[in-house]
Amino acid sequence: DAKTTQPPSMDCAEGRAANLPCNHSTISGNEYVYWYRQIHSQGPQYIIHGLKNNETNEMASLIITEDRKSSTLILPHATLRDTAVYYCIVRVRDSGAGSYQLTFGKGTKLSVIP
Amino acid sequence: NAGVMQNPRHLVRRRGQEARLRCSPMKGHSHVYWYRQLPEEGLKFMVYLQKENIIDESGMPKERFSAEFPKEGPSILRIQQVVRGDSAAYFCASSVGTGELFFGEGSRLTVL
Repeated sequence: DAKTTQPPSMDCAEGRAANLPCNHSTISGNEYVYWYRQIHSQGPQYIIHGLKNNETNEMASLIITEDRKSSTLILPHATLRDTAVYYCIVRVRDSGAGSYQLTFGKGTKLSVIP
Repeated sequence: NAGVMQNPRHLVRRRGQEARLRCSPMKGHSHVYWYRQLPEEGLKFMVYLQKENIIDESGMPKERFSAEFPKEGPSILRIQQVVRGDSAAYFCASSVGTGELFFGEGSRLTVL
C-alpha cells in the first residue's frame, strides 16, 4: 500500500501556481519523497525528488516540512499541458540490497483550466 | 539521448496465445522495472530486475507471467496463454542504480 495521502483532485487556473499537497506522516529517515505525473495514458514522468531540503528544477519546486511528514509540489505557472495525475511517492534509496521500486497510489488529478 | 524504448507499442493477441513485450533501458541503466496498468486503474509494480537477476518479483502473478533481463539485449516480459484480464498497458522503467526511475511509453496489450 502507498504510504502517502493526496487529495483526489484539484483545479488550477492557467498561468497560476499549482500547489499539490502530500502527507507522508510515517516516512522513514532513509526514505526520499518523489513526485511523478502521468499525462493521460502516457508513461509516468519523473518530476523531482528530495530528502529534507527544498528542491527546485526546471519543472517544479518541492517543499518538504521540517518534520518531513508532508510536502508540497509547486508548479509555478501551470499550463494546460500540466493537466495530469500527480503521484507523491516515498522510496528508499542508497540503502544497499533491496527493492527500489515505486509504489503508486491514486494520486491527485490536476485539471488546469483556461 | 534515447529514453526507455518499449515495443511493440500495441499488441493484439487471441486468448491462449503468448505475448512478449520488450524493453530497452536508457543507456547506462542496469536496473529495469515492469508495471501494469489495467484500464481505469493505477500503476501496479510487477517485477524488478538487474542484469541476469530478478531482484523482486513480488508483484508478478504466480502463473503465466515471467520476466528476464539478459546480459545482452532488452528485458522481456512474457505472458503465456493470455486471457482477457491481461489486457492492459505495461510500462517499463529503468534506473542507474537506485536513482530515479524513467519510464517508457508503454505497450498496450489487447486480448480478444
